[in-house]
Amino acid sequence: GENVEQHPSTLSVQEGDSAVIKCTYSDSASNYFPWYKQELGKRPQLIIDIRSNVGEKKDQRIAVTLNKTAKHFSLHITETQPEDSAVYFCAASLSGGSYIPTFGRGTSLIVHP
Amino acid sequence: GAVVSQHPSWVICKSGTSVKIECRSLDFQATTMFWYRQFPKQSLMLMATSNEGSKATYEQGVEKDKFLINHASLTLSTLTVTSAHPEDSSFYICSARDNSRGREGYTFGSGTRLTVV
Repeated sequence: GENVEQHPSTLSVQEGDSAVIKCTYSDSASNYFPWYKQELGKRPQLIIDIRSNVGEKKDQRIAVTLNKTAKHFSLHITETQPEDSAVYFCAASLSGGSYIPTFGRGTSLIVHP
Repeated sequence: GAVVSQHPSWVICKSGTSVKIECRSLDFQATTMFWYRQFPKQSLMLMATSNEGSKATYEQGVEKDKFLINHASLTLSTLTVTSAHPEDSSFYICSARDNSRGREGYTFGSGTRLTVV
């Protein structure tokens, strides 16, 4: 099955700095890569996703890049704000109708004001 | 769109009792729902896939007799933790996919914090 590795487990930055979270996956058949943000005690929320037919996707201060050859994808947050502090999960899914994402272990992002 | 409601949001129960958690898709029909368990500061671990009208598919290591799943309708799946013990204390989250939205419709419930005393 799919195996998703996520690094770092904890990331501490100053407000205004950029934050980068990296994930690797093992199954080359995976073609959908969502990122979720989970605030303490709340549900994970989808913040951005990318499909394998594109290399980069951007949404305001958030961007995701994908390298299919190396089987890794990254989340980039620019101009970080304290409200960006949360746990971020990457995920990868196999193609086909039975979409069950495999999640990374999560990255706790702390943005210091 | 694609709203998933989960109840209760938190529950405290005594050891040996059973607890039922409900997961509802409010604005779409979900033939498949998923149940996850999350320990503090850890990732989401898939417990089982709930299939409407048929038996749930459990992940390796998950006791099906302890975690009973029922998906009797296209909008409701329930997880019952039977004979709960303190080690069952955790954050349980359901999710569902709105097939009309394809893979982008994977939405989580608000989670249930279970504490067994």
